[in-house]
Amino acid sequence: QKEVEQNSGPLSVPEGAIASLNCTYSDRVSQSFFWYRQYSGKSPELIMSIYSNGDKEDGRFTAQLNKASQYVSLLIRDSQPSDSATYLCAVNEGRGSQGNLIFGKGTKLSVKP
Amino acid sequence: EPEVTQTPSHQVTQMGQEVILRCVPISNHLYFYWYRQILGQKVEFLVSFYNNEISEKSEIFDDQFSVERPDGSNFTLKIRSTKLEDSAMYFCASSEAGGGSGNTIYFGEGSWLTVV
Repeated sequence: QKEVEQNSGPLSVPEGAIASLNCTYSDRVSQSFFWYRQYSGKSPELIMSIYSNGDKEDGRFTAQLNKASQYVSLLIRDSQPSDSATYLCAVNEGRGSQGNLIFGKGTKLSVKP
Repeated sequence: EPEVTQTPSHQVTQMGQEVILRCVPISNHLYFYWYRQILGQKVEFLVSFYNNEISEKSEIFDDQFSVERPDGSNFTLKIRSTKLEDSAMYFCASSEAGGGSGNTIYFGEGSWLTVV
């Protein structure tokens, strides 16, 4: 059974701080990794994708991937109250998989003004 | 910005009834998906569809479910003989390519199904 694990939180950080979200996955052949943001009652919204080991930065967001440790993280710098949401880690097996994303349960982030 | 659109946004149905959820994927996308999210639980893959046929399906997607692309723009999920446990948010999604790097999947706003 392929699993994606996340700490459910809630993770509470003050406005302006760095929020660090972590995810581990069980399937070593996984190829593509995604972070989605989901506001309550809304659909997942893609924040970052990462495919190679190392860091990938996009604005205030940095995704980090370590395939050897089967670990993905998301850093949010200068956190804003509008960043308060549930962050979903998702993994795609790739290698012929047609988009079967395996999601974690999500980490609820609360940014306090 | 192109988006995946879904209808209805919310549907209430009686147990045992059939439900059809509709989706219009992003126009140049070739791969289509249905996911569901039971309240408070994780997003779960149901099925992927490419070139007018199912390419992958999960254990959840049993004979009660079917998908169809009846024309060039719509993609539907049919649930026959609904059960209470089918109550969930159903997300349609699409992507330009399938599998491996570059497979960014875009989600619609969801159809909330309540079975009573």
